[in-house]
Amino acid sequence: ETGVTQSPTHLIKTRGQQVTLRCSSQSGHNTVSWYQQALGQGPQFIFQYYREEENGRGNFPPRFSGLQFPNYSSELNVNALELDDSALYLCASSLRGTGETQYFGPGTRLLVL
Amino acid sequence: GDSVTQMEGPVTLSEEAFLTINCTYTATGYPSLFWYVQYPGEGLQLLLKATKADDKGSNKGFEATYRKETTSFHLEKGSVQVSDSAVYFCALASGGGADGLTFGKGTHLIIQP
Repeated sequence: ETGVTQSPTHLIKTRGQQVTLRCSSQSGHNTVSWYQQALGQGPQFIFQYYREEENGRGNFPPRFSGLQFPNYSSELNVNALELDDSALYLCASSLRGTGETQYFGPGTRLLVL
Repeated sequence: GDSVTQMEGPVTLSEEAFLTINCTYTATGYPSLFWYVQYPGEGLQLLLKATKADDKGSNKGFEATYRKETTSFHLEKGSVQVSDSAVYFCALASGGGADGLTFGKGTHLIIQP
């Protein structure tokens, strides 16, 4: 069974640029959620995708957007990067209807200069 | 909205000591409750979960009981090891999971030999 994978592992961008982060869900899972974890804080929910549509969203602005593909992999796109976007971005996959248990990838660490 | 409060760290214990990390929550309805662990430089690993009142989740010697009357889900272990050193997050899922997980701020546990 393949776990959740994310790419890249690290990324450095400058303010105003755009970034795309990628996630492959665990085998058999059909739902992907994205989280932002600032240093020393707990993860904050960005949004969730199910059947290629956004299914729920946290308190993040529209410049945070995403996609889910037919193979259940997903992308997180962030436009007009700000310094405060520097964080660890975590992807989690789950199987709808199995008690909301989410399994996390190792994360992508984004630094915005 | 939903929220999770857990004890501030760092918590420093000697090897073989008894561990308790307190977690209380506020949520509508009947959330599922989770403990996740994060080792340095890694993503989150599911440690244990409970989906209804009075359920006890357990794994690797760790236990937590879902207490609806006190809205708590305290993490315990009878004898900690140096390898248990990590950051522990309490989290909840409500609303069918589409709102994502709500996390506490995390408790940094340090076990000294």
